[in-house]
Amino acid sequence: QVQLKESGPGLVQPSQTLSLTCTVSGFSLTSNSVHWVRQPPGKGLEWVGAIWSGGSTDYNSALKSRLSISRDTSKSQVFLKMNSLQTEDTAIYFCTREQPTLYYFDYWGQGVMVTVSS
Amino acid sequence: AIVLNQSPSSIIASQGEKVTITCRASSSISSNYLHWYQQKPGAFPKLVIYSTSYRASGVPSRFSGSGSGTSYSFTISRVEAEDVATYYCQQGSSNPYTFGAGTKLELK
Repeated sequence: QVQLKESGPGLVQPSQTLSLTCTVSGFSLTSNSVHWVRQPPGKGLEWVGAIWSGGSTDYNSALKSRLSISRDTSKSQVFLKMNSLQTEDTAIYFCTREQPTLYYFDYWGQGVMVTVSS
Repeated sequence: AIVLNQSPSSIIASQGEKVTITCRASSSISSNYLHWYQQKPGAFPKLVIYSTSYRASGVPSRFSGSGSGTSYSFTISRVEAEDVATYYCQQGSSNPYTFGAGTKLELK
């Protein structure tokens, strides 16, 4: 069955780099795009970026200068790296699979809470 | 980027009541690419309605959606206690994908 699971540090210091991994199973990264969505505490959903099935990427324009998304198809893993973290980056980070023809998110990971604090 | 203006931001309803949420897009989008999610506290968002009006697998028939162009709506015909959640619209019509700000549904 389709599964996605985020992993990474729960606490990051300001100005440091966040590294998250999304490990997927039940589908191929070359068949489905994977997106990152984040949610600050008590707030709404914000699209962070995507790695498309073909391997290209797109990023939220507000985060683009600090963000990188990549993948290792042999390990079925997607990586998010965001540098120069600020307290405003404190959020739950979800990875989610995109349905390839209608562009909705059909499977989600449980999310990982990332707190930016010294 | 297409902005989705979702309203109201919160609803307090009685069990059995009908509730409607609207989602207005800053530009016209294809109805194929407008979707609705339900998020309960502590959980990931769950797809409820895709392509404006199609219920996702296992979603009760009291949930429905409609709309076209820039104006879309999501309706729960008779609210039940288990429907307490925050609901979001999302567009996949153009990159970057965007979400509405959410509507929090509470019971009276």
